[in-house]
Amino acid sequence: EDKVVQSPLSLVVHEGDTVTLNCSYEVTNFRSLLWYKQEKKAPTFLFMLTSSGIEKKSGRLSSILDKKELFSILNITATQTGDSAIYLCAVGVAGTASKLTFGTGTRLQVTL
Amino acid sequence: NAGVTQTPKFRVLKTGQSMTLLCAQDMNHEYMYWYRQDPGMGLRLIHYSVGEGTTAKGEVPDGYNVSRLKKQNFLLGLESAAPSQTSVYFCASSYMRTGLRSEAFFGQGTRLTVV
Repeated sequence: EDKVVQSPLSLVVHEGDTVTLNCSYEVTNFRSLLWYKQEKKAPTFLFMLTSSGIEKKSGRLSSILDKKELFSILNITATQTGDSAIYLCAVGVAGTASKLTFGTGTRLQVTL
Repeated sequence: NAGVTQTPKFRVLKTGQSMTLLCAQDMNHEYMYWYRQDPGMGLRLIHYSVGEGTTAKGEVPDGYNVSRLKKQNFLLGLESAAPSQTSVYFCASSYMRTGLRSEAFFGQGTRLTVV
């Protein structure tokens, strides 16, 4: 059974801190790892990673994938209150299902 | 840009009632998905469609049916609602196979309560 595990489950930091969110996976036919940000409603796409060791970056957010060790991290530097959200990790698997297997998410709260 | 639109946004059903959730996308995407999100469980795939006229079962299909009569619409039906189907339902679509070459775009969600 495919499995995606995120840690920590929740995190409270002060504005300006740097945070690292973790995602490990055990799946067959791995194709990609995706990060989503979920505020009150729809998950919104952040990154898709398919190759090991290549960092994806967007402003203060960055992510990297390690296909050998089967994990990914999402870094957020200089956090702001607007970063408060649930961060979802999902793994794309090949095959007819073409589905994403999601982790349970990390709830990040950034306080003033 | 509308993207993925779900209706309704909220609904309360009595046990045994039926209802249909509508998902519409205006991005000409081939692939569409229905997920449910429950506390501590993450998002789980209910059914999906790889094109107009096709549907397939996902991880948790029992108690649900779907139809994709038009490319832009994906309907999720509950024939006889049960309290275990209380959840937030998300529709998603993607241009190509999700996770292979394209990400999934999500609707705003439907919060369903079955009493």
